[in-house]
Amino acid sequence: DAGVTQSPTHLIKTRGQQVTLRCSPKSGHDTVSWYQQALGQGPQFIFQYYEEEERQRGNFPDRFSGHQFPNYSSELNVNALLLGDSALYLCASTRTAGGANVLTFGAGSRLTVL
Amino acid sequence: GQQVMQIPQYQHVQEGEDFTTYCNSSTTLSNIQWYKQRPGGHPVFLIQLVKSGEVKKQKRLTFQFGEAKKNSSLHITATQTTDVGTYFCAKYSGGGADGLTFGKGTHLIIQP
Repeated sequence: DAGVTQSPTHLIKTRGQQVTLRCSPKSGHDTVSWYQQALGQGPQFIFQYYEEEERQRGNFPDRFSGHQFPNYSSELNVNALLLGDSALYLCASTRTAGGANVLTFGAGSRLTVL
Repeated sequence: GQQVMQIPQYQHVQEGEDFTTYCNSSTTLSNIQWYKQRPGGHPVFLIQLVKSGEVKKQKRLTFQFGEAKKNSSLHITATQTTDVGTYFCAKYSGGGADGLTFGKGTHLIIQP
């Protein structure tokens, strides 16, 4: 039973570029959330997707956007990259039915912006 | 926004000593979750506490939820090198269709 898989694991971009990160949720999960974790900090909620729609959003600018596909996989897009966007981006999945709210995290995509 | 405060930020212990981290909220929590993140790893769910005064144990780990549901603690008895990592508490802001708010974590460093 595959857990949450994310790609790429590491990437380097320059300021102003755009990046797309991908996530496949754990088998049986239908809800995907994205978190940003700066070095030495706790994860910060970016947004959550369910039924291909953004269900809730944290305090992140519109440069951060996402998408969920019919197979429940998801993408996180960040436009006009800033140095401060350098972080570990974590995808987490859960199953909404039944009120389950325990997150399974992927290994993350580490983004470095130069 | 509403946050959860964790103390201490860092804790150095000798292997075999006990360790405790505390999580505090200014508002009443519907539940509290605890996660562990190993160095270079990703957060892994440990437990969820829901009831006032709840105490749950997992081997050497003891989790408590305060009577007022505003604080929680994680206690590790006789630490081992495998306990190294950062322990986060996290809460949901609303009714479940939202994201977790994590504390800043307590970094546990164990000296052999």
